[in-house]
Amino acid sequence: GAVVSQHPSRVICKSGTSVKIECRSLDFQATTMFWYRQFPKQSLMLMATSNEGSKATYEQGVEKDKFLINHASLTLSTLTVTSAHPEDSSFYICSARDKLAGWNEQFFGPGTRLTVL
Amino acid sequence: TQLLEQSPQFLSIQEGENLTVYCNSSSVFSSLQWYRQEPGEGPVLLVTVVTGGEVKKLKRLTFQFGDARKDSSLHITAAQPGDTGLYLCAGLPAGPGAQKLVFGQGTRLTINP
Repeated sequence: GAVVSQHPSRVICKSGTSVKIECRSLDFQATTMFWYRQFPKQSLMLMATSNEGSKATYEQGVEKDKFLINHASLTLSTLTVTSAHPEDSSFYICSARDKLAGWNEQFFGPGTRLTVL
Repeated sequence: TQLLEQSPQFLSIQEGENLTVYCNSSSVFSSLQWYRQEPGEGPVLLVTVVTGGEVKKLKRLTFQFGDARKDSSLHITAAQPGDTGLYLCAGLPAGPGAQKLVFGQGTRLTINP
């Protein structure tokens, strides 16, 4: 299956700093990437949809100025958590949709554990 | 808002037993996917079903898509400890332009040796 990578896998930062998370599709082109947040023992919560070359579409309740998304190429999307606070600590997961796939399958990255002190 | 009701949310059984996880909705989906997620990792795609009534098998796992494409089930035969994990169903709503998956709440499965 298609492979999606995320970097870093874990990050610990101080309150007030910004953190950038990268999501890459390794063996396919992804016109659309998605960013999710997952709280312990819960399902995935969609934060935003990122289309290559255009602005991201954010879900209701997600602050676009706090969670900056850039989808600069068909294989890379980045999520920057600006001025992070402890409540932003979570497991962030990206997924990518294969441009050529027929059934809109999404392939997920391994996730990034963010801890804000 | 389209919802996928997944049940049960928690299931703990003994090795060798069979189990079924259900995902139900009042909405129609053009496709439905099942994922398994291990702690600290991203979801891994198990299967995609797209045709009403479709049945797919993956070793001891059997996936079925409802005739009306509103529901799906995952049946595991002779469960093993390696099947332990969080199982997620996710559907793509039918209709033009839909691209956001709707996720079920997840089923946390524990298989005891």
